[in-house]
Amino acid sequence: ILNVEQSPQSLHVQEGDSTNFTCSFPSSNFYALHWYRWETAKSPEALFVMTLNGDEKKKGQISATLNTKEGYSYLYIKGSQPEDSATYLCAPSESGSRLTFGEGTQLTVNP
Amino acid sequence: EAQVTQNPRYLITVTGKKLTVTCSQNMNHEYMSWYRQDPGLGLRQIYYSMNVEVTDKGDVPEGYKVSRKEKRNFPLILESPSPNQTSLYFCASFREGRLNTEAFFGQGTRLTVV
Repeated sequence: ILNVEQSPQSLHVQEGDSTNFTCSFPSSNFYALHWYRWETAKSPEALFVMTLNGDEKKKGQISATLNTKEGYSYLYIKGSQPEDSATYLCAPSESGSRLTFGEGTQLTVNP
Repeated sequence: EAQVTQNPRYLITVTGKKLTVTCSQNMNHEYMSWYRQDPGLGLRQIYYSMNVEVTDKGDVPEGYKVSRKEKRNFPLILESPSPNQTSLYFCASFREGRLNTEAFFGQGTRLTVV
């Protein structure tokens, strides 16, 4: 089982603040890194799938970077809004056949 | 509409009474998987299937069975449920057999075993 660490565990910010989270994973045998957004009482929804070292992806005000050599990925949210409140999950795959999910970062954006 | 459909959404059952949670996807996806979510733990993989008639154990397969007789369906079977299987279950599908594409999740099934 891969050791996946996400930090911080939880985060409270004010509307308009920018924030970022970290996902750390073993750098050997890297295949892909997934990010998901999970709102309470809903299903996880995909944000990004990244496969190449140095990848940067963006969707609206959310962006992510990937460093496969050192085994980490950052997720950035610029100008957080209350509707960004959710748990953000990362999930690396080292073989292409399985994902291992981190425990997530729970973000609360206060109006 | 492209979707993954799980049933039932909620289930309360008694120890030892066999149950099946169904999962169906309409996207012709190759890969399907079952996860469980427990407080303080990430989503943990129970079983997965990279194609029809191919299934493999995930990280927590004990007490569960699956089958993949056709591409669209991937039921999760609990032959003799126990209270430690009380959890939130998600089915997911991926377009490719290799995980370089995003997962589509079902709505979740909240199971309570008393």
